[in-house]
Amino acid sequence: QSALTQPASVSGSPGQSITISCTGTSSDVGSYNLVSWYQQHPGKAPELMIYEVSKRPSGVSNRFSGSKSGNTASLTISGFQAADEADYYCCSYAGSRTYVFGTGTKVTVL
Amino acid sequence: EVQLLESGGGLVQPGGSLRLSCAASGFTFSSYAMSWVRQAPGKGLEWVSGISGSGHTTYKADSVKGRFTISRDNSENTLYLQMNSLRAEDTAVYYCAKVFDYTDSFDYWGQGTLVTVSS
Repeated sequence: QSALTQPASVSGSPGQSITISCTGTSSDVGSYNLVSWYQQHPGKAPELMIYEVSKRPSGVSNRFSGSKSGNTASLTISGFQAADEADYYCCSYAGSRTYVFGTGTKVTVL
Repeated sequence: EVQLLESGGGLVQPGGSLRLSCAASGFTFSSYAMSWVRQAPGKGLEWVSGISGSGHTTYKADSVKGRFTISRDNSENTLYLQMNSLRAEDTAVYYCAKVFDYTDSFDYWGQGTLVTVSS
């Protein structure tokens, strides 16, 4: 199972919107509405930000939103803040109760 | 408050074995599937293995099939990962993660335990 493809880095200015893409295949992202997104600050455990493509867990800011089209999912951060600087990973259900993560995107403030 | 606390990591020689544990609290452990996810130094996340709430069904990534075994003791609220025939490429921080209801996502993670495979 190959990792989902994400851009290595994305930068944004405070207040802007940034979008991170996550490209898989018809066997994972394209087949299931079971894409999740995780935020990971340095030295910390990942934190769930989006599940089932576009749903936010309780406590996650509504500045984070998710979508999917075909084999590509996306995470958008609106009103970008310095605190949003982190690594972001997508994850998709891949069938037979297995999962595949994305390659990860480092998000930085310009 | 949900807490997941991993232990058992350390330095092991290639070909050796190690058993990781994850002590869970703050939720009804037996009602939730669990997974192990690892992260090699400076690299991305990789799903390793999963287990149903009852423990009757397990799943593994191809990279660890035949070498790693996931299990759980619901009476002790503990998740395990038995790792055999360890290789240098298994060096990583290993996280246990709780599956979020039936959403196929992971809503709680432990702090991780480092496994280093080196001679």
